[in-house]
This record gives sequence, C-alpha cells and structure tokens, in this order.
Amino acid sequence: EAAVTQSPRSKVAVTGGKVTLSCHQTNNHDYMYWYRQDTGHGLRLIHYSYVADSTEKGDIPDGYKASRPSQENFSLILELASLSQTAVYFCATLGGPEQYFGPGTRLTVL
Amino acid sequence: GQQVQQSPASLVLQEGENAELQCNFSSTATQLQWFYQSPGGSLVSLLSNPSGTKHTGRLTSTTVTKERRSSLHISSSQTTDSGTYLCAIANNRIFFGDGTQLVVKP
Repeated sequence: EAAVTQSPRSKVAVTGGKVTLSCHQTNNHDYMYWYRQDTGHGLRLIHYSYVADSTEKGDIPDGYKASRPSQENFSLILELASLSQTAVYFCATLGGPEQYFGPGTRLTVL
Repeated sequence: GQQVQQSPASLVLQEGENAELQCNFSSTATQLQWFYQSPGGSLVSLLSNPSGTKHTGRLTSTTVTKERRSSLHISSSQTTDSGTYLCAIANNRIFFGDGTQLVVKP
C-alpha cells in the first residue's frame, strides 16, 4: 500500500495558468518535500515543510508556492505556469534516515 | 558548486559484470541514501548508508565519511538493473547528484 501518493500523475497546462499538485502521505512523517526533476538531471528541492501550516523555501522556490494544511497533505502551487516549469515533480517524506518518494507528476506547460 | 557529484555519468555493462558507482560530496552529511530510478521514472530507495559498509542482496555500499565519498557496488549485473542510480546527502538540507545511467546488455 503506497505511503506517499501524488495527484494528478500527469498534467498539461497552458502558460499563465494556475496548477496545483497534491501530495498525500500515510507515513505520519513530519517532514515533506517537493522536488523537480528535469530530463537527465537529479532532483532539486523547491519547498519543504516540517510541520502543518508551515512551509520553507528550498533551493529553487521562485515561481512556486507550497501549502501544508495538515500532517498528511502538502501541495505545490504554480500561480502562473511557465514553459520552464515543464518537469517531473516528486513529493517525498522523511522518516529517520530515509526518504520515501511518491510516484511523481509529469507536468507539461504549453 | 554542486554539493553531490556522481561518476561515471553513464555506464554500459554486459550482463554478469560488476558495476562500481561513485558519489562524492562537498559538505558533511548526516544522512546518505542511494536511490534507483527506473526508466519509467519511479524512485526506489536502495540503501541508507551515512557511514561504513552495508549490504543488501547484490548491492554493497561503502561510505567513508571523513573523505566525503560513497560507493555503490552492484555484483553480477542483470538487465533489470538498467536505470539511473542517484546519490543523495542530507545535513540541514538534502542534495541530489545528477545520477549514473546504467545500461546492462544481455
């Protein structure tokens, strides 16, 4: 049974539109993360959260907002989607020494 | 500069050969984790090894914390091992390398 789920699994958005990516965990972990991965590259941290109702900026937060309304849910919001935000987005939680990843959301901005 | 550097960037093996993947990092790490990313994109944690040597199945990871390096050894490679291997470190933040793309030919 998947402990970290993401929705949608893929999305096509138009430039300038609003996009919300959702992440849900059943691990009961405090830390949750949003990463993006561009083709042929590793993962880069966008935002993270260590407690509900609080978020922190990662390494590449510009153009993204995050929301952590509860322990289980963590959303990534693109208010004005741009072409450069086409990527695969991964949500993860941190439990002890290990991170647990969701299946990813493939976002294409046209 | 990049916090985590992996080498080689790509590797092609014949089935049955062994693979040695390297991860070098520029800051102290309290956590170090190796991941496998399938051609389909999903990420799977292989080993968490901040120091010392750990084994699981055909995988062996050795991390020398003082030298800021870790290796992942894959013995008797199989075609199903093909994919990307990512190294990630964490101290106050988490950093990923760009990965090693492994292709195992039958």
